Amino acid sequence: AQSVAQPEDQVNVAEGNPLTVKCTYSVSGNPYLFWYVQYPNRGLQFLLKYITGDNLVKGSYGFEAEFNKSQTSFHLKKPSALVSDSALYFCAVRDWSTDKLIFGTGTRLQVFP
Amino acid sequence: AAGVIQSPRHLIKEKRETATLKCYPIPRHDTVYWYQQGPGQDPQFLISFYEKMQSDKGSIPDRFSAQQFSDYHSELNMSSLELGDSALYFCASSLGLNPGQGYEQYFGPGTRLTVT
Repeated sequence: AQSVAQPEDQVNVAEGNPLTVKCTYSVSGNPYLFWYVQYPNRGLQFLLKYITGDNLVKGSYGFEAEFNKSQTSFHLKKPSALVSDSALYFCAVRDWSTDKLIFGTGTRLQVFP
Repeated sequence: AAGVIQSPRHLIKEKRETATLKCYPIPRHDTVYWYQQGPGQDPQFLISFYEKMQSDKGSIPDRFSAQQFSDYHSELNMSSLELGDSALYFCASSLGLNPGQGYEQYFGPGTRLTVT
């Protein structure tokens, strides 16, 4: 079975500092990995994905993620955090046969001014 | 750019009542997915449709049913509602049912269902 894990329930970072939100995956075959962000009372917004190719994927709002096959990780990063980045972040893997997304438990990012 | 539309945005029902949630995918998207997100939880897959045919089924109760219509919009019908059905229900759409393409899913704003 395919799954992703987000080991941190919450990440706190000061504005202007770099941020990392961790995600590890467990899949059979090649992983299709995604990051989504959810603001309060809003839907999930697509940030970026890894399908194949370069291990460093760039996405929306200055976010990027690094795919690391040996560590089975897909950590979300941003060089300089903004207060407006405060939200709930979900890592997800796409089921190979049916395309449904399997989400991690989410990480709440809090950026302090 | 057009996004996924869901209606209603909020719905309050009593136990044992019926609810119908509607989803209008992004134009030209032919695949629709339904997810349920309980309070403080991650979204859980319910059911999906591709070209008006059910493509996958997740942890969807037998009390729920769904379909996709000729114009690709989808409806989730929920009967005999229980308190535990209170959640945020998301619809997502994507272009094509082809795992090799890796198309991302775009989510609607969700319908918040409260069962009292």
